[in-house]
Amino acid sequence: GDSVTQMEGPVTLSEEAFLTINCTYTATGYPSLFWYVQYPGEGLQLLLKATKADDKGSNKGFEATYRKETTSFHLEKGSVQVSDSAVYFCALTYNFNKFYFGSGTKLNVKP
Amino acid sequence: EAQVTQNPRYLITVTGKKLTVTCSQNMNHEYMSWYRQDPGLGLRQIYYSMNVEVTDKGDVPEGYKVSRKEKRNFPLILESPSPNQTSLYFCASRRERGNTGELFFGEGSRLTVL
Repeated sequence: GDSVTQMEGPVTLSEEAFLTINCTYTATGYPSLFWYVQYPGEGLQLLLKATKADDKGSNKGFEATYRKETTSFHLEKGSVQVSDSAVYFCALTYNFNKFYFGSGTKLNVKP
Repeated sequence: EAQVTQNPRYLITVTGKKLTVTCSQNMNHEYMSWYRQDPGLGLRQIYYSMNVEVTDKGDVPEGYKVSRKEKRNFPLILESPSPNQTSLYFCASRRERGNTGELFFGEGSRLTVL
């Protein structure tokens, strides 16, 4: 079945460090891929998305590229800030009705 | 302000006592959905609704009911809660026209079943 696998957390980085959070997916077709972010005590909010292979989603300095050949959608940021501390979820959907989320990766950024 | 509102935000109850978690959105979205969030499992979809009177099962519908009598409301009903339904619940909505796939989430309802 369809699923999303994320790297285990927590990930702890110093401010201005480079961030990568790995996400791989298993899918029978060609889904759309998303990264959502959850700040403490809040609901999830969309960070970025990509709807087809080789698309790059970007927002707030974060980027992720839809790689069909490796079934991956890794999240990257060149220089993290303390305010980026949150839980990050990778997700996929085919029809925008049923969504499959990964288990989430907690990011802690230290000053 | 555009928002998805869930109530209650926190609830402790006992096994077997029926409860309803309400969800309301003010964005005129056609689609609404419920998720539960558990440690190590991420978010799992319980039910979704594509419009009034149209509902469908997600991946973990057992033990839950939903109804969609009005466009803005999508309550989640636990007829006979059990301890394995202790979880953090999120309601989400999205628009249908000009659909970008973006889900708008409520702030969550933390439910404990003793």
